[in-house]
Amino acid sequence: ETGVTQTPRHLVMGMTNKKSLKCEQHLGHNAMYWYKQSAKKPLELMFVYSLEERVENNSVPSRFSPECPNSSHLFLHLHTLQPEDSALYLCASSQDPPGGTGYNEQFFGPGTRLTVL
Amino acid sequence: AQSVTQLDSHVSVSEGTPVLLRCNYSSSYSPSLFWYVQHPNKGLQLLLKYTSAATLVKGINGFEAEFKKSETSFHLTKPSAHMSDAAEYFCVVTPSGTYKYIFGTGTRLKVLA
Repeated sequence: ETGVTQTPRHLVMGMTNKKSLKCEQHLGHNAMYWYKQSAKKPLELMFVYSLEERVENNSVPSRFSPECPNSSHLFLHLHTLQPEDSALYLCASSQDPPGGTGYNEQFFGPGTRLTVL
Repeated sequence: AQSVTQLDSHVSVSEGTPVLLRCNYSSSYSPSLFWYVQHPNKGLQLLLKYTSAATLVKGINGFEAEFKKSETSFHLTKPSAHMSDAAEYFCVVTPSGTYKYIFGTGTRLKVLA
């Protein structure tokens, strides 16, 4: 596989369930990101990992728990979600985090469409 | 504070006519600027990026954008729209020295036959 892959592509869960979203990048990048995309709202940055260290947590509720075991894999663990958490969750990677001297574009996965009942 | 504004939430053009999607940014320092496209049920794909080497940036699928510092704009254009261009387009600014990519609210492009 090439690029950024995400599994599952669709997920339906109840509010008491525990599930995990998986992201894998095959690009040799050092930074990975989780975004939430809801209808009629701008893309919301949730977490940023640089070299497996979390460098940004954008005031995300604790029912979302990220994990980055290595530079190629990123997980988002979900627990006791609310219906308003239903959205498209996008994973992205970049060679390095933004803000340095380079111009790092992000490469996005296809997303996981999450529905919370 | 840094921000990005996409001036039109929806744009409709006829096939074969020019496309203009507008983006204005606010940034204290020289930003990085990007345009992404998202087709239905797909992730975002990079169209082009501003690297400060040239103010007119050419991207994929015939798109280009011009960086105008005096107007703080980075509008996306294409001379002739194709049906496959129908999608949502996002303008993104990355202020230097931060971990943040700031996304605009998106412009949905409709191409009429």
